[in-house]
Amino acid sequence: DAGVIQSPRHEVTEMGQEVTLRCKPISGHNSLFWYRQTMMRGLELLIYFNNNVPIDDSGMPEDRFSAKMPNASFSTLKIQPSEPRDSAVYFCASMAGVGEQYFGPGTRLTVT
Amino acid sequence: QQQVKQSPQSLIVQKGGISIINCAYENTAFDYFPWYQQFPGKGPALLIAIRPDVSEKKEGRFTISFNKSAKQFSLHIMDSQPGDSATYFCAVVPTGNAGNMLTFGGGTRLMVKP
Repeated sequence: DAGVIQSPRHEVTEMGQEVTLRCKPISGHNSLFWYRQTMMRGLELLIYFNNNVPIDDSGMPEDRFSAKMPNASFSTLKIQPSEPRDSAVYFCASMAGVGEQYFGPGTRLTVT
Repeated sequence: QQQVKQSPQSLIVQKGGISIINCAYENTAFDYFPWYQQFPGKGPALLIAIRPDVSEKKEGRFTISFNKSAKQFSLHIMDSQPGDSATYFCAVVPTGNAGNMLTFGGGTRLMVKP
């Protein structure tokens, strides 16, 4: 298996633009998680899905952030409009068992 | 989210030494305590994990010690090697329906000097 796949790996955009991050979980994993990592705040859980249904989105910082999982093999995290404070590394992870999350390589987002 | 306090923030150890990273949590309703290892430019990867019904788990050079009464658990890396240089995160998994969610500690950046 190729593991969790994320795209793009790097994204540089200007403030106010829409950003879409993509994730393909490991086949057969029924839970998917989006995290944000910064030096100041560490690893933060943004939202997680179970069987394609959003279960907890309390970590989503504000309405500019939205996430979808239209099927078991694809999820998106969208930021609209983007702001410089959104600059971070965004990770997607999928899960086999309790606590056994498999992380993708991340998307490094820079908003100028 | 539940608080998980991890220390130290950074650690320098000589090759062959023992690296010790500590975590403390604030709630008893957890039933799984994993440690993740993250190399620069990569996502975190599960290293080792323990359940609260045991006090210690060892896998190779890596050992978790768990103290339920003190609400603390620690990672020990024996015979530390330069290849162990990475950031380590402890995490807790709540009991019950929210058991899918991980709450991470702040991370410890370990450097093992040759």
